[in-house]
Formats: sequence, C-alpha cells, structure tokens
Amino acid sequence: QSVLTQPPSASGTPGQRVTISCSGSSSNIASNYVYWYQQLPGMAPKLLIYRNNERPSGVPDRFSGSKSGTSASLAISGLRSEDEADYYCASWDDSLSGQVFGTGTKVTVL
Amino acid sequence: EVQLVESGGGLVRPGGSLRLSCAASGFTFSTYGVTWVRQAPGKGLEWVSSISSTSLYIYYAESLKGRFTISRDNAKNSLYLQMNSLRAEDTAVYFCARQQGGADTELDYWGQGTLVTVSS
Repeated sequence: QSVLTQPPSASGTPGQRVTISCSGSSSNIASNYVYWYQQLPGMAPKLLIYRNNERPSGVPDRFSGSKSGTSASLAISGLRSEDEADYYCASWDDSLSGQVFGTGTKVTVL
Repeated sequence: EVQLVESGGGLVRPGGSLRLSCAASGFTFSTYGVTWVRQAPGKGLEWVSSISSTSLYIYYAESLKGRFTISRDNAKNSLYLQMNSLRAEDTAVYFCARQQGGADTELDYWGQGTLVTVSS
C-alpha cells in the first residue's frame, strides 16, 4: 500500500492551471527530496521533477514542484491535451529504508 | 542514448520462480545504482528493490524480503531480479530504472517493462 497520498483525479480545460497534492509524513517528504513522475497511457514512467522543484532537461517549464513540511505539490500551468496522464509523487522513507510512491493522480484535459 | 531493456517475464504458476533481466546501454552501468519498480494491472507504482553500483547496498520492500533477490553483473551491464514463491499478487509489469545517485535519489531513466503473470 502507498505511503504517500494523492487525489485520485484532477482535471482542467486547455490553458488552465492544475495542482496535484502529495501528503506524506516526517519520515519521508519532510526529511527527503520529493520526485514527480508522469506516466502516459501504456508507457513507462518518466521523471518530471527531482529534488522537490528541479526539472530535467526537456521538461517544459509549465511543470513546477514545491514542498512544505510533510506535503508536496505539482502544478501544471497552461494545461495541454498531451498532459493527460497519471502523475506519481515519490520520496525516500527513512523508517522503511526504501522508496515510496504516491497513490497516483489521473489528470484529464476536458 | 541511455537504454534499459527488461526481459524474462511471462506466465508462471503460483509457487513458481522467475528471473528477470535488465540490459543497460548508453551509459557506464557500473557507476550507477539501479532499481526495480512494479505496477499491477490498473494500479499504481510500487518500489520493489534497489542495488548500489558495487552491490554494497541493497534494499527491498519489506513485503518482498525473503522471496525476491536483486543482483547485478557489471561486466555484462545487467541487472537481475530473482523471484521465488510467486503469488497471484505479484502479477505486474516490472520496470527497471536507473538511479541518479544513491537509493534515495530520482529514477531518471526507465525501461519499458516486462509483464509477469502468476496464475494457474
């Protein structure tokens, strides 16, 4: 079972801003970096955000991450149809000595 | 170009064993840690196991300890996952992914996955 909690779904119209939350605890998000992955339908996950708010080369600046205490957020601004995907947060958990993933959020572009 | 290609998946009966492989290319495999992540049909991502570049540090999901064994062969640029005493709930697509640093760092490249189906 997932240790990090995300809303199951989020949606918006093209051009809108969508925010996805990720709730954890003192043993994971509060004390370690948060990562975000995008999984397009039928594809492998892709790294979207690392070290809380850094974007790998090639990821549009429409995607941004933030962290505060035991929670983190991913924001997608200027929503586009190609952003329809599942999004997962992740972090290291000191108590479990392992990576933990969020429950996942399906983003729909209306 | 960094590439990770999994193989070895298939249909196996409950209680059976399977060995997954992940062939790496496009980077110096021996200097990176690597991780297995799985995804049951229609479900979310689940971290399985991680191994450091020299195999010195190995981590497993608590629920899989004792049944799964991760290993690597740097001379062959390959990662492995030996899975024993398989159960129906182990049915999933298994991805291998490269760690940017230690086991607590981001997974910056992923393979396409190999499907393991545990069924009688």
